[in-house]
Amino acid sequence: AQSVTQPDIHITVSEGASLELRCNYSYGATPYLFWYVQSPGQGLQLLLKYFSGDTLVQGIKGFEAEFKRSQSSFNLRKPSVHWSDAAEYFCAVVLNSGGYQKVTFGTGTKLQVIP
Amino acid sequence: EPEVTQTPSHQVTQMGQEVILRCVPISNHLYFYWYRQILGQKVEFLVSFYNNEISEKSEIFDDQFSVERPDGSNFTLKIRSTKLEDSAMYFCASSFRTENTEAFFGQGTRLTVV
Repeated sequence: AQSVTQPDIHITVSEGASLELRCNYSYGATPYLFWYVQSPGQGLQLLLKYFSGDTLVQGIKGFEAEFKRSQSSFNLRKPSVHWSDAAEYFCAVVLNSGGYQKVTFGTGTKLQVIP
Repeated sequence: EPEVTQTPSHQVTQMGQEVILRCVPISNHLYFYWYRQILGQKVEFLVSFYNNEISEKSEIFDDQFSVERPDGSNFTLKIRSTKLEDSAMYFCASSFRTENTEAFFGQGTRLTVV
């Protein structure tokens, strides 16, 4: 069964510092890969997505992610974090079974930004 | 920009009552989904729906749950007899196709069972 691992439950960074959130997946083929952000009590906002092609993907709010097939990873990065980036971040993998999509989410990483 | 809309945003119900969560998917989408997020936990797949049939359901989606597309625009999740453990945020999602595209998520309905 496919799975998504986010090893960091909670990360604290200083405003202006760089950020990297880790994500590893377990799946036989290259799945579709996504990062979502969720503010407290809010819905899921798509940050970026990877289907195929260029392994460095640009997203909204200055985020980017790099797909590394050899490491089964899709880490999220941002060069300079803003206080408004404090939220929970979910890595997600899609199993496309031809008849439907099924999104498998990681357990999330809560980002705290300190002044 | 088209979006998936869910109503209500928050619903409180008594244990044992039936609830219906409503969703309006993006108009030209063909595939529909429900997900659940218990407070503090990850988002979990419940069910996928296409061509008026369930494509797949998770083990969470037991006989207490049902889905329906009653007309050309709405997609509903019904819980027949709610339990305390059904308290969660429920997300509806839709997609136009299954390849090289993402599912678009609604803002969620927070269900509180008391």
